[in-house]
Amino acid sequence: DAKTTQPTSMDCAEGRAANLPCNHSTISGNEYVYWYRQIHSQGPQYIIHGLKNNETNEMASLIITEDRKSSTLILPHATLRDTAVYYCIVRFSGNTPLVFGKGTRLSVIA
Amino acid sequence: GAVVSQHPSWVICKSGTSVKIECRSLDFQATTMFWYRQFPKQSLMLMATSNEGSKATYEQGVEKDKFLINHASLTLSTLTVTSAHPEDSSFYICSASGRTHEQYFGPGTRLTVT
Repeated sequence: DAKTTQPTSMDCAEGRAANLPCNHSTISGNEYVYWYRQIHSQGPQYIIHGLKNNETNEMASLIITEDRKSSTLILPHATLRDTAVYYCIVRFSGNTPLVFGKGTRLSVIA
Repeated sequence: GAVVSQHPSWVICKSGTSVKIECRSLDFQATTMFWYRQFPKQSLMLMATSNEGSKATYEQGVEKDKFLINHASLTLSTLTVTSAHPEDSSFYICSASGRTHEQYFGPGTRLTVT
């Protein structure tokens, strides 16, 4: 699987947009970009995923660059409950396991 | 979304004893289940992949005789930590994947071996 690179930590003011970057320069054409988050002492929670096009759901937006070598997860209005470790993962479709990197620890500050 | 449960949510056991952790998919059939382990302040590490009715595939460095995985039905997989030692203390998380191949995670089981 292609590896991803994320900043170790980020801070965001409550109510502002949180933009979490991810580099995946060796991603292959068939690999999707997935985002999960893990709140302390809980199992990972699915956020969003995409292949080429930008995606939006009720939780977040995913912006993928045209060359697919990087992406940004956007939480439009961060709340204190969004404080978590966010993982960017690239993965082939099919029943392959998710391989987690170190992620970004997002702290939302009041 | 699909729901995956784990039982127990936490367990304390004495060194040398065995502990069984259950992972259930509550509202879908899980053809594949994955087991992860997470030590404090670290990321999730994949331990093994199990397909229903087949033997589990273990990641390099994971002892298959110590971490017994059974996936006998489409809704249940179990992980048994045999002869547990303090270094096995960790957060164990399962995930389940069905027809859509999306992975849904359980809430995790915290194991403490004294």
